Amino acid sequence: GAVVSQHPSRVICKSGTSVKIECRSLDFQATTMFWYRQFPKQSLMLMATSNEGSKATYEQGVEKDKFLINHASLTLSTLTVTSAHPEDSSFYICSARAGSLDEQYFGPGTRLTVT
Amino acid sequence: GENVEQHPSTLSVQEGDSAVIKCTYSDSASNYFPWYKQELGKRPQLIIDIRSNVGEKKDQRIAVTLNKTAKHFSLHITETQPEDSAVYFCAASGRGGADGLTFGKGTHLIIQP
Repeated sequence: GAVVSQHPSRVICKSGTSVKIECRSLDFQATTMFWYRQFPKQSLMLMATSNEGSKATYEQGVEKDKFLINHASLTLSTLTVTSAHPEDSSFYICSARAGSLDEQYFGPGTRLTVT
Repeated sequence: GENVEQHPSTLSVQEGDSAVIKCTYSDSASNYFPWYKQELGKRPQLIIDIRSNVGEKKDQRIAVTLNKTAKHFSLHITETQPEDSAVYFCAASGRGGADGLTFGKGTHLIIQP
């Protein structure tokens, strides 16, 4: 149980275009989903926290107008990288938390390359 | 906000020996401390976690200790095996995990055969 999927697993896009990444909890309802970014050989950095039906909370230094997060249902959150630039190239990982449980279940990640 | 420091950045041990990775945190409100193992290009895998009301937790060859007063926690792996080679991250979170995780910078554990 507690499976989180992400789509796509890899995406290459041109500079200036937008890319949408989906995060789904497959067998549980996720009251909260988190988005992290991981640059090569670095740690995971929390970008934002999203609760179903409400606006996401962004970490300091993360542009909310550039990284649009929508948590439309208890099983789906999306991250849209708008006007992507090469420096946005990274590994984006979502996680989902179910109700009162502590554990966050991570998705497999999406490798974004902006050319 | 929370700040998590992790040491060492690289740890090489002989197969069968023990490995210890240490982390410190800054926010006394943090009360959930998970440890993750991550292989290259893969998602982080939870290997053990501990809450602030517990001082120690063990699961087979893996144990975690927490010192709330000193704000540090450690991962102990005994009888290391080649498959333990990976990058390990500690993390901290408030509100029992309801908050997002603040990760340490990671430790590259190398098990020498």
